[in-house]
Amino acid sequence: AQSVTQLDSQVPVFEEAPVELRCNYSSSVSVYLFWYVQYPNQGLQLLLKYLSGSTLVKGINGFEAEFNKSQTSFHLRKPSVHISDTAEYFCALTRVYGGATNKLIFGTGTLLAVQP
Amino acid sequence: NAGVTQTPKFRILKIGQSMTLQCTQDMNHNYMYWYRQDPGMGLKLIYYSVGAGITDKGEVPNGYNVSRSTTEDFPLRLELAAPSQTSVYFCASSHPGLMGYNEQFFGPGTRLTVL
Repeated sequence: AQSVTQLDSQVPVFEEAPVELRCNYSSSVSVYLFWYVQYPNQGLQLLLKYLSGSTLVKGINGFEAEFNKSQTSFHLRKPSVHISDTAEYFCALTRVYGGATNKLIFGTGTLLAVQP
Repeated sequence: NAGVTQTPKFRILKIGQSMTLQCTQDMNHNYMYWYRQDPGMGLKLIYYSVGAGITDKGEVPNGYNVSRSTTEDFPLRLELAAPSQTSVYFCASSHPGLMGYNEQFFGPGTRLTVL
């Protein structure tokens, strides 16, 4: 079975400060990893994904994440946040070659609260 | 191209009432999914479909039913609403891609309260 853990339910940060949102996963098989963002009262939007290749992946809005297989982590980072980055961020995984029956498994989410 | 649309946006139900949450996608995706999102719990898969006429249960299917008569539509039915079904419901769709990866596109959600 696979699982995703986001230890921080909330991360308060001041505008223009750097931020890291932590994500750890557990799986006995190869997985693809994702970060989704959910702005207030909106659906989920894909921020970035790791499928293969370079372990550092860049996404939209200046976010990036690093896949670390030995530590089973996929932390999300941004060097300087803006008020508009305030949102809920979900880490998720899916099994490689799982097809449609391969459901997305989500973490419980981290609320990034950017303060002026 | 509207993507994935859901109606209604909000709904309040009384215990025991029934309703259908609508989901439509215009991307010609074969795969469609229903999730529920509870505070502090992330998203849980309720049902999914790999094409018209084919549906299957996810993690939390009890109390729900689905049908898929067309590629575009994937309605979710609550027959006897219970307070435990108070949640935000998201519909998503995807299409098979390279390496077995299928990005899921999400609708804006339906916020349901059962009193």
